[in-house]
Amino acid sequence: AQKVTQAQTEISVVEKEDVTLDCVYETRDTTYYLFWYKQPPSGELVFLIRRNSFDEQNEISGRYSWNFQKSTSSFNFTITASQVVDSAVYFCALSEAFGNEKLTFGTGTRLTIIP
Amino acid sequence: GAGVSQSPSNKVTEKGKDVELRCDPISGHTALYWYRQSLGQGLEFLIYFQGNSAPDKSGLPSDRFSAERTGGSVSTLTIQRTQQEDSAVYLCASSFLAGGRDTQYFGPGTRLTVL
Repeated sequence: AQKVTQAQTEISVVEKEDVTLDCVYETRDTTYYLFWYKQPPSGELVFLIRRNSFDEQNEISGRYSWNFQKSTSSFNFTITASQVVDSAVYFCALSEAFGNEKLTFGTGTRLTIIP
Repeated sequence: GAGVSQSPSNKVTEKGKDVELRCDPISGHTALYWYRQSLGQGLEFLIYFQGNSAPDKSGLPSDRFSAERTGGSVSTLTIQRTQQEDSAVYLCASSFLAGGRDTQYFGPGTRLTVL
């Protein structure tokens, strides 16, 4: 069975600080996909990134970066120079390639950026 | 292009009544998913449609829940004899390819309140 753990329930940081959201996953498959979604106060889940299990390169997109480490089964998300608009609930999710196509979500981390 | 749309955005019903929730996926997407988001249970998978294949109903919580997808496009989630524990936000997602090989894009959700 697959599982995603986001141990940080809530995080508050002052604007312009960097913040890292942790994600640890479990799966028996060798081919799988990892995702991060953002859920702002409006409620809609917004896709941020998808990584497959064969690509451990870290990725940077503007102020966002992701660190994928298979050795520790982690897929952490860092926001640099945080802004108030980054305040949201962030979900990490896992999907297997075949036979179990659903997304398994973590419980989410509520991030509050204090102006 | 247009994203995933869902209707209604809000639904208030009395315990014991039936409700229908609608999802219009992104045009051309072959896979469609229903999830439920509630305070106690987080984000849970309900059902998954892929092309003409039999749907994966493994996440449906009881036989009061059913879903259909007509013509490979629009989907309706039906909850019969609603109970208070059915109160949640019901989210629909679609993807071009099945499984984690492609990204699931989410609609705005339907907030269901059972009185």
